[in-house]
Amino acid sequence: DSGVTQTPKHLITATGQRVTLRCSPRSGDLSVYWYQQSLDQGLQFLIHYYNGEERAKGNILERFSAQQFPDLHSELNLSSLELGDSALYFCASSASGVRDTQYFGPGTRLTVL
Amino acid sequence: SQQGEEDPQALSIQEGENATMNCSYKTSINNLQWYRQNSGRGLVHLILIRSNEREKHSGRLRVTLDTSKKSSSLLITASRAADTASYFCATDEDYSNYQLIWGAGTKLIIKP
Repeated sequence: DSGVTQTPKHLITATGQRVTLRCSPRSGDLSVYWYQQSLDQGLQFLIHYYNGEERAKGNILERFSAQQFPDLHSELNLSSLELGDSALYFCASSASGVRDTQYFGPGTRLTVL
Repeated sequence: SQQGEEDPQALSIQEGENATMNCSYKTSINNLQWYRQNSGRGLVHLILIRSNEREKHSGRLRVTLDTSKKSSSLLITASRAADTASYFCATDEDYSNYQLIWGAGTKLIIKP
């Protein structure tokens, strides 16, 4: 158990819909990262938050947005969903920055029908 | 998008054999990390090696780093069925952009 929790575990929705994925980092970790992993693919970095502030953006679509709240939990919002958005979405946390070990949550499997 | 390179893409060996996978990167780094991912699960950190280290061990894992060649290798000795997983390397070469650069991963299959 990494100490990072993600909800929900599975999400099935229709094209055009909007969903919110939630992540609670390990206790004490200030950084939260979001990744997308399509079937049998590598990790695509989406976004990094540090102590409530956005630090880096990767391949995140304009239809996607994220935020990190004062209690350090984070949410990833995906809107106007398309079939191609079906993937595993991982959240990871680290103590401070990218030079620290990242601890991954179990992921949310999103299926868009 | 930036991505490190790993080879081989896939590796299938017999249980008990050693497995070696390689990772290359483009610019200078402070550290390089290896992670394991069992199918459909979150990644698990295996080992971190700093740029001033050449070799590091953790149980059956041995990681080497050659900064002159900008490459690292992960050796798993006496492989077991439970080692079947994908293995990813990640570097902080894009430190100024606050993101790790991830390799594409090596899929390791251990045959009983």
